[in-house]
Amino acid sequence: GESVGLHLPTLSVQEGDNSIINCAYSNSASDYFIWYKQESGKGPQFIIDIRSNMDKRQGQRVTVLLNKTVKHLSLQIAATQPGDSAVYFCAETVGYSGGGADGLTFGKGTHLIIQP
Amino acid sequence: DAMVIQNPRYQVTQFGKPVTLSCSQTLNHNVMYWYQQKSSQAPKLLFHYYDKDFNNEADTPDNFQSRRPNTSFCFLDIRSPGLGDAAMYLCATSRDESRNQPQHFGDGTRLSIL
Repeated sequence: GESVGLHLPTLSVQEGDNSIINCAYSNSASDYFIWYKQESGKGPQFIIDIRSNMDKRQGQRVTVLLNKTVKHLSLQIAATQPGDSAVYFCAETVGYSGGGADGLTFGKGTHLIIQP
Repeated sequence: DAMVIQNPRYQVTQFGKPVTLSCSQTLNHNVMYWYQQKSSQAPKLLFHYYDKDFNNEADTPDNFQSRRPNTSFCFLDIRSPGLGDAAMYLCATSRDESRNQPQHFGDGTRLSIL
């Protein structure tokens, strides 16, 4: 079936370097995407989102890129810090007009490890 | 601060003994969700409430039920827990004004089955 997946289960980067976490999705109807950060023992924490009418969105130290042609999503974290160590999930949903809210389909997650 | 609160953080129950997990929110969001997250896996949606309307996922076992007595509270009932139900259970909320709204998660309840 259609699903959201991540390319790499673990990503190790040096402190201060930029991190790029990738995600592929297969549902062409997906129109809203979210990146979550999950630290050990905690719930997913919202990082940044992007709608399908955009291809780039920037936040504080984070940038999300969306390539609808190849159904690819990425999260870029600038100047990675020790506090960025966590599992990162991409999630997608297919919204419907007129409001309402659907559940999210999560990718498998990437464990980001920061090396000193 | 407005937030999603789950109690308890850790719950231990016996095989086959009913258990209830609770979630409350101060965000005044219309939608509340329950996800199951097993070790080293992504969260998986069980069901959600849009106001009082219950929406069950097709593959959610009948063993899992939910109640939402008011806007602020939502409960997850597991009628006869099996060993395979040991997991983190996450509650989330979202607004309904727009379909493109992020979900806000609590810190979960970790359920262990003896």
